[in-house]
Amino acid sequence: QVQLQESGPGLVKPSETLSLTCTVSGASISSYYWSWIRQPPGKGLESIGYIYYSGNTNYNPSLKSRVTISIDTSKNQFFLKLSSVTAADTAVYFCARLYNSGWYDFWGQGTLVTVSS
Amino acid sequence: EIVMTQSPATLSVSPGERATLSCRASQSVSSNLAWYQQKPGQAPRLLISGASTRATGIPARFSGSGSGTEFTLTISSLQSEDFAVYYCQHSGSWPPGSFGQGTKLEIK
Repeated sequence: QVQLQESGPGLVKPSETLSLTCTVSGASISSYYWSWIRQPPGKGLESIGYIYYSGNTNYNPSLKSRVTISIDTSKNQFFLKLSSVTAADTAVYFCARLYNSGWYDFWGQGTLVTVSS
Repeated sequence: EIVMTQSPATLSVSPGERATLSCRASQSVSSNLAWYQQKPGQAPRLLISGASTRATGIPARFSGSGSGTEFTLTISSLQSEDFAVYYCQHSGSWPPGSFGQGTKLEIK
């Protein structure tokens, strides 16, 4: 069974960079696409972007200027960096496997990141 | 960008009854449509991909239909564990996801 686990700071100051790690177990990260999705409190889901094991990435245009997704196949991990955060970036951040570059079939439990001074 | 619109925002149904949830795409997405269930405090769970293919372990009471711009998720006989928020997602192209805003299925 594929399992994903997010980790990282739960509190980030405005204008700083949000950094999260997703650790994958039960599957090699050297296949498939791997994604980040977020959900502001009480709101819907927003895809942030994805990365292929080769390092190819694609980002949501609304976040593209601030987002970097990277991968470390030796550790079976991938990463999210979101720069210049504001309160609007407060959300639960999920990592997920993007299957067939289409749908998200395995998800992490999510981690709440709050942007506040 | 393709916009996904779900209706209704909230649906009240009694246990044992049928629930029908709708999702409309702003332009044709063919059969590139997925459905998810999300319960409070949990990650979404994939129910349906390719508009009508149930994911592994999903009960047969969940069914998806439609193509092009109009899609439906039907739950044939609601169980207590089915009351949740349901999202549709355009799964065909990037920008990623294009999730609908969700339908909350609540107990009547």
